[in-house]
Amino acid sequence: DQQVKQNSPSLSVQEGRISILNCDYTNSMFDYFLWYKKYPAEGPTFLISISSIKDKNEDGRFTVFLNKSAKHLSLHIVPSQPGDSAVYFCAANSYNQGGKLIFGQGTELSVKP
Amino acid sequence: SAVISQKPSRDICQRGTSLTIQCQVDSQVTMMFWYRQQPGQSLTLIATANQGSEATYESGFVIDKFPISRPNLTFSTLTVSNMSPEDSSIYLCSGRDAGYGYTFGSGTRLTVV
Repeated sequence: DQQVKQNSPSLSVQEGRISILNCDYTNSMFDYFLWYKKYPAEGPTFLISISSIKDKNEDGRFTVFLNKSAKHLSLHIVPSQPGDSAVYFCAANSYNQGGKLIFGQGTELSVKP
Repeated sequence: SAVISQKPSRDICQRGTSLTIQCQVDSQVTMMFWYRQQPGQSLTLIATANQGSEATYESGFVIDKFPISRPNLTFSTLTVSNMSPEDSSIYLCSGRDAGYGYTFGSGTRLTVV
């Protein structure tokens, strides 16, 4: 049972344009969501998070939107830069799951100059 | 946020042998976790490492195969026992601090031949 889903395995965007990465979840008990970026041969690096009491969180070029009714979140990167090329994972957590993160399958973003 | 040092970064092992992976955190974390990322797949939680007691394993993972220790708040080990080629994966440790921040080690790329 895949509780967190990223249905797009890859995304290609032109430098300077907006990248939108999507994530869906099925467990309504999730109350905290995170996005991670992962380069090959490195561990995931935290990007941005959002609590279920909010619908938007912004940090520089990165904005995460949460639509609880649709059980959907998205990560917007604007403007996209070639250094943003990596695999992006969304993850979710709920207090009653003991703090563990459940990850989506990842989306490989390629930003072309 | 915490910094996690994980070693070894990679290893090639013979089937039937065991490998122990270590993670050292530079500050106290409330929780530590071990994940596996099989080729092209998401991060799958193996277990939660509990300080001074037996780890809590996820469905499909057992202590005999993946014994875990966490003798203090800043150190944990995962052993992959009696390895087979199917155990070839990236193994990652993660720590959660009191502020709900999750940090990952750089991963151990294991190849079993």
